[in-house]
Amino acid sequence: EPEVTQTPSHQVTQMGQEVILRCVPISNHLYFYWYRQILGQKVEFLVSFYNNEISEKSEIFDDQFSVERPDGSNFTLKIRSTKLEDSAMYFCASSDREPYGYTFGSGTRLTVV
Amino acid sequence: RKEVEQDPGPFNVPEGATVAFNCTYSNSASQSFFWYRQDCRKEPKLLMSVYSSGNEDGRFTAQLNRASQYISLLIRDSKLSDSATYLCVVNVQDDYKLSFGAGTTVTVRA
Repeated sequence: EPEVTQTPSHQVTQMGQEVILRCVPISNHLYFYWYRQILGQKVEFLVSFYNNEISEKSEIFDDQFSVERPDGSNFTLKIRSTKLEDSAMYFCASSDREPYGYTFGSGTRLTVV
Repeated sequence: RKEVEQDPGPFNVPEGATVAFNCTYSNSASQSFFWYRQDCRKEPKLLMSVYSSGNEDGRFTAQLNRASQYISLLIRDSKLSDSATYLCVVNVQDDYKLSFGAGTTVTVRA
């Protein structure tokens, strides 16, 4: 079964540092997403990406965040200057026709110290 | 008011029992409804979509009540492997995002 691959599985970073979270969506999917889940809380939408541009973003997705699809396969989330409250599980997802057919990656656990 | 509200539980049930729980959503423009399952520290996985007429997938039955804006999930003949957090998920038409509830925890005991 096709899957969404995320790397790394766990990242520890110092406050103020930049991090890049990487995702390889399913190859024939057209819609790409980032969600996050702070420990013990609900899954929250960050951003959706379609046709090489952001299609929607949440209030959480401020100027510290950016997304990119640098080549035909990778989809990245960059946090420019991490804060303690950015500590969370970050899930990448892709779909062939939103909102159906969503597949989530196994997540990157980001710990900001 | 939260977009999607769920009873957090936990629901502790013996193997073989039936367990049911609901979720309510606030946006009447919501068009697509799903139940996802999440195991501890893992990604959400689609359990089933929820259709207006209600639908069944094996031991799982989902119902949608648009008038009252709630969705339900019923699990029959519970297995130990059904222990998980069940996430109610809603999408508004022409919107790209999914809105998640905080989840209902189910623990099935032997």
